[in-house]
Amino acid sequence: LAKTTQPISMDSYEGQEVNITCSHNNIATNDYITWYQQFPSQGPRFIIQGYKTKVTNEVASLFIPADRKSSTLSLPRVSLSDTAVYYCLVGEVVNDMRFGAGTRLTVKP
Amino acid sequence: EAGVAQSPRYKIIEKRQSVAFWCNPISGHATLYWYQQILGQGPKLLIQFQNNGVVDDSQLPKDRFSAERLKGVDSTLKIQPAKLEDSAVYLCASSFLAGVGETQYFGPGTRLLVL
Repeated sequence: LAKTTQPISMDSYEGQEVNITCSHNNIATNDYITWYQQFPSQGPRFIIQGYKTKVTNEVASLFIPADRKSSTLSLPRVSLSDTAVYYCLVGEVVNDMRFGAGTRLTVKP
Repeated sequence: EAGVAQSPRYKIIEKRQSVAFWCNPISGHATLYWYQQILGQGPKLLIQFQNNGVVDDSQLPKDRFSAERLKGVDSTLKIQPAKLEDSAVYLCASSFLAGVGETQYFGPGTRLLVL
C-alpha cells in the first residue's frame, strides 16, 4: 500500500490559489491518485482523480509530475466555503487506498 | 439522484451495550463500504461488500463488530459489546463497482458516543 504524506494544515485568504502537495514515493505502476474533501459533520466528497500529467475539472486541477512520486491539488480562487480537510489517496482499487490525517485548509476573509 | 442514506445520525450508549447502524447506498451501486473515523483522523476502512459478499474485512475487529448486506442493497453494522474506544463517526460509502479508479460516494455518517 502506498503511503502518502501531506501537510497537516494550511491557511489561505479568499480569492487566492491554494496548492496542496502530497508525497507518495512508493506509488505503484497501476495506482491512481485521488483527492477527497471533507467538511465538518459530513462524509468525504470526491474532488478529482488522475494517473499522470494534469487533470482539470470544474472544481480543481491535479498536477502529477512524470515520476508520479508526488501530486499537487490546486484550488483556484478559494472562498470561505473551501475551508475543509483535504485527503490524498493512492491506490489501484478502493481497498488499496488509505485515508491519512489529511490537510486542514482554513480560508480567511 | 439520492445520495447514501444513514441512520441514526447520532447515538449515545454505555459501554458493553450493543448498537446497530443502517446504510442505504445509491441505487444501482454494487459495492458498499463501512468506515470508522475517529476524531482528528482520516476514515479507516472496516469492511467492503460486493453485492452481498464480503470482499475485504481485514480491518474489522471481528470479536465485537459484525456487518451484513443480505439482499445486496441495505447494510447494517453492529457493535456488540461497545467499548469506549469505539466512539467515532461511522461512515457508509458506495460505488458502482469496485474497479480501477472507482469513485466512492459517502453518506453523512453516524456519530457514536460510548460512555
